[in-house]
Amino acid sequence: GEDVEQSLFLSVREGDSSVINCTYTDSSSTYLYWYKQEPGAGLQLLTYIFSNMDMKQDQRLTVLLNKKDKHLSLRIADTQTGDSAIYFCAESGGSGNTGKLIFGQGTTLQVKP
Amino acid sequence: ETGVTQTPRHLVMGMTNKKSLKCEQHLGHNAMYWYKQSAKKPLELMFVYSLEERVENNSVPSRFSPECPNSSHLFLHLHTLQPEDSALYLCASSQDPDRQPQHFGDGTRLSIL
Repeated sequence: GEDVEQSLFLSVREGDSSVINCTYTDSSSTYLYWYKQEPGAGLQLLTYIFSNMDMKQDQRLTVLLNKKDKHLSLRIADTQTGDSAIYFCAESGGSGNTGKLIFGQGTTLQVKP
Repeated sequence: ETGVTQTPRHLVMGMTNKKSLKCEQHLGHNAMYWYKQSAKKPLELMFVYSLEERVENNSVPSRFSPECPNSSHLFLHLHTLQPEDSALYLCASSQDPDRQPQHFGDGTRLSIL
């Protein structure tokens, strides 16, 4: 079945780059997404990439997609303490989609000053 | 961001109570969603509505009853809940089910006594 896997925890120093990785199983996914969740809040859409793209850059965020390996990554340049949050990878549910997003379990990013 | 607003933010109820969660979106979207977020589990899609019609019901117990009176409002009526129903309930909306991305509210933190 459809599945999205992420590592659970990442710790970096302020100013370093963070790379959060995600693997997925549904090769028919049209879009892949990164969401951020801060404590006590909902999910904030950070960025997304269409499945026929390899890379997307948006200010400090770079998304890389390796469709052959079904691997997605989010790189945050110059990581700040305000970037501390849980980051969720999600894929759209492929053909016959009725709005179904498949989420990973989330990666907790800890940024140390 | 106030695109998707959920009320109340916190709710404590007994197992025999009846309560409702409310979601309102100001984005002009046609699709709305209910998700359940429990500790240490991926987000679970509960219901999808498109133009006020339910298009997905993910095997949710009947003690959860959704209602979508118009494309801007979504309710989740709760009755006779169980302790394992304690979770963060997130509402989201998108242009339509086949046109993502989904935008989330901040959720209702539900605690069942």
